[in-house]
Amino acid sequence: DAGVIQSPRHEVTEMGQEVTLRCKPISGHDYLFWYRQTMMRGLELLIYFNNNVPIDDSGMPEDRFSAKMPNASFSTLKIQPSEPRDSAVYFCASSPIRGQPGELFFGEGSRLTVL
Amino acid sequence: AQTVTQSQPEMSVQEAETVTLSCTYDTSESDYYLFWYKQPPSRQMILVIRQEAYKQQNATENRFSVNFQKAAKSFSLKISDSQLGDAAMYFCAYRSANFDMRFGAGTRLTVKP
Repeated sequence: DAGVIQSPRHEVTEMGQEVTLRCKPISGHDYLFWYRQTMMRGLELLIYFNNNVPIDDSGMPEDRFSAKMPNASFSTLKIQPSEPRDSAVYFCASSPIRGQPGELFFGEGSRLTVL
Repeated sequence: AQTVTQSQPEMSVQEAETVTLSCTYDTSESDYYLFWYKQPPSRQMILVIRQEAYKQQNATENRFSVNFQKAAKSFSLKISDSQLGDAAMYFCAYRSANFDMRFGAGTRLTVKP
């Protein structure tokens, strides 16, 4: 089975530009998570979805960040406008309800650098 | 929200020796799951071991085992017969009944040949 697929793997952009990160979860998984990883703050949960519905977005840092899940096989995390402090690795992860007791399956991450 | 604390930013172990990584968590829930993930330099997050809170028996996966102390809210990872490939960041994680998952700050493990 294909794992969680994220794109792009690397993105370098200039401050003020819009950034869109994409994620394809594992087929059949009901939950999708977005995390941000930095040296200073570690792994932060930004938002998670259940059956395409956002359940908790309290980790989204500010209004510049938005996430959508238009269908069960696709999610986006958008930053507009981007700032240098948004530089981080962004992980997408998915999880089924049954079968595995809560294990998250992670993508390889998208490394974002905002100049 | 639940908090996960890893008090050891860095640890080192001699190859073939045993090392224990510490993790504590804060929760008022009775039903939850605990995990250890490994993140090598490739940055891929890899599940090492999982523990259901309702199970008293400590989980074991080959050279990896946990010491789960529910009353003390402690969940340590023991790596036996350490190998060079075990060098990585190790994250302790807590998954609550409402399905969100929180991670500790991580422990960087160095394995000396």
